[in-house]
Amino acid sequence: EVHLVESGGGLVQPGRSLRLSCTASGFTFGDYAMNWVRQAPGKGLEWVGIIRSKGYGGTTEYAASVKGRVTISRDDSKSIAYLQMNILKTEDTAVYYCTREGRGYGRYYFDYWGQGTLVTVSS
Amino acid sequence: DIQMTQSPSSLSVSVGDRVTITCRASQSISNYLNWYQQKPGKAPELLISAASSLQSGVPSRFSGSGSGTDFTLTISSLQPEDFATYYCQQSYSTPPYTFGQGTKLEIK
Repeated sequence: EVHLVESGGGLVQPGRSLRLSCTASGFTFGDYAMNWVRQAPGKGLEWVGIIRSKGYGGTTEYAASVKGRVTISRDDSKSIAYLQMNILKTEDTAVYYCTREGRGYGRYYFDYWGQGTLVTVSS
Repeated sequence: DIQMTQSPSSLSVSVGDRVTITCRASQSISNYLNWYQQKPGKAPELLISAASSLQSGVPSRFSGSGSGTDFTLTISSLQPEDFATYYCQQSYSTPPYTFGQGTKLEIK
């Protein structure tokens, strides 16, 4: 059974950094792209970024709202994806979800989600 | 970036109602359209991929249709467990993978 578990959230001051982890199990982690999606309190879903599998170059892309402040990485040997967030702003306050990117008939979708970890940016 | 617009933003409905939610893309996305359900305090769950492909385990009362810019999620007979917020998402071409703003189903 596929499981994704996020960790590393908490209260952090503006301007500081935080690293979130997503520990995966139940599938061959290295074969899949992983995405991060966030949801501010009472708001909708916002895609944050992706890290592709090594087979697709392991490349990353980011939303414009976080580009330059965020880095996604992965350790396939440990089945963990990371979201490093720097220069945090109050508007980064959200629940952060990691998701597995499934593929079918050339289409992409987020077929498994973690339970989310809350990041609160406040002084 | 491709913008996704859902309508309505909220809907007051009753058990047994037929419900239709619309999602419009700012440009053609073929059928690169997914639907998710999110219940309060929970992570979203994938309902439908590729506009109309029902995920395993999702009840058959859910269906999706559309192609190009206009898409629809239909619940044929609303059940109590379906009260939730629904999001569409496009996965056309490269990221960003934008979501619609969500449609919240509320009890009438």
